[in-house]
Amino acid sequence: GENVEQHPSTLSVQEGDSAVIKCTYSDSASNYFPWYKQELGKGPQLIIDIRSNVGEKKDQRIAVTLNKTAKHFSLHITETQPEDSAVYFCAAVSASKIIFGSGTRLSIRP
Amino acid sequence: DVKVTQSSRYLVKRTGEKVFLECVQDMDHENMFWYRQDPGLGLRLIYFSYDVKMKEKGDIPEGYSVSREKKERFSLILESASTNQTSMYLCASSLRVGTGVTGELFFGEGSRLTVL
Repeated sequence: GENVEQHPSTLSVQEGDSAVIKCTYSDSASNYFPWYKQELGKGPQLIIDIRSNVGEKKDQRIAVTLNKTAKHFSLHITETQPEDSAVYFCAAVSASKIIFGSGTRLSIRP
Repeated sequence: DVKVTQSSRYLVKRTGEKVFLECVQDMDHENMFWYRQDPGLGLRLIYFSYDVKMKEKGDIPEGYSVSREKKERFSLILESASTNQTSMYLCASSLRVGTGVTGELFFGEGSRLTVL
């Protein structure tokens, strides 16, 4: 079946450094790629998204890139801060389905 | 502020008990979803509903049923709870665009169920 592979499953970075999380999807019909952040004890919340007709999108310290040919998309967080510590999920969305990656636990070291 | 409210944050039930997890959204969204979250497995779709009284099976519907009698409310039912249903359950809602699913999901804070 269709799936989304997300790597790494855990990531620890020094405060102020950058973090990158990568996802690969298999469903060619996917045309929308959101990223969700789940803080401890809360439900996931959308932080950034990208549609298939765009290669890159940026919002302050976070950016997402999409390579539709290779079916890869990535989340980039620059100048990481303690409040960036959370679990991050990517997703690939088509007209009929939303498929989530397995999640990345990001820890920011002081 | 948009809101998805799950009635119970923590539940402890015994094997064989019937369990109801309730979810209410105040955004007039057409779509509502129930996901199960387990470490290393991400979010797996149990059921979703795109309209009142409509439901579709997700990836792991076995052992679960749902009810949507009103647009704002979507209930997940475990007819006879088993220990392998111990998990975090997340409800979500979204707008419906055309005939398909749409972009942003709004999640509740989750219901952590333990079955003994």
